[in-house]
Amino acid sequence: NAGVTQTPKFRVLKTGQSMTLLCAQDMNHEYMYWYRQDPGMGLRLIHYSVGEGTTAKGEVPDGYNVSRLKKQNFLLGLESAAPSQTSVYFCASSYQVFWKLFFGEGSRLTVL
Amino acid sequence: GENVEQHPSTLSVQEGDSAVIKCTYSDSASNYFPWYKQELGKRPQLIIDIRSNVGEKKDQRIAVTLNKTAKHFSLHITETQPEDSAVYFCAASKMGELPSPNTGNQFYFGTGTSLTVIP
Repeated sequence: NAGVTQTPKFRVLKTGQSMTLLCAQDMNHEYMYWYRQDPGMGLRLIHYSVGEGTTAKGEVPDGYNVSRLKKQNFLLGLESAAPSQTSVYFCASSYQVFWKLFFGEGSRLTVL
Repeated sequence: GENVEQHPSTLSVQEGDSAVIKCTYSDSASNYFPWYKQELGKRPQLIIDIRSNVGEKKDQRIAVTLNKTAKHFSLHITETQPEDSAVYFCAASKMGELPSPNTGNQFYFGTGTSLTVIP
């Protein structure tokens, strides 16, 4: 039982490049989330999903896109990376919406 | 919508002493208040949560108290140990309700408290 896994763990991008972060969970959770964590800012919700094929915007969605083609996977995409997107990204999942979140290990992204 | 404020931002205590972290919330309809612990370089993990129909919940050395009238809730750690050193985050929401600009429900974490337990 791996829980929530994220890939990659680390990535360095140049401004304007694109990339995708993959989140996978094996707990059969309906709800999945992408957060970013910046010093002094806590955890801010980027996008979330309430089930396969559905996504919705969170607090800071600009510059990101997401997809949930399979229940167990939630992808976060950056189409044209900017230095302001340098952050640690956490994926999470839960059985009920925003209740007892299980987090992945995080992905550290640096945009030069 | 909900606004969660957390204090203090940093806290240092001697090993064995108690630590208290307080959060305030703005939406009186919020009914679910979790606390997450994040050790350095690790993922956040839920350590305790409380619903609005309960005033206090305890789990070994950790307790959470809720004052609905004053709209604040607190995390209490007794007999602190070095392994309690971490960043602690609070949050508040209307449990089971999706975040929506129409309903005004949002799930915001506090900005975190960095707790250091000095041996």
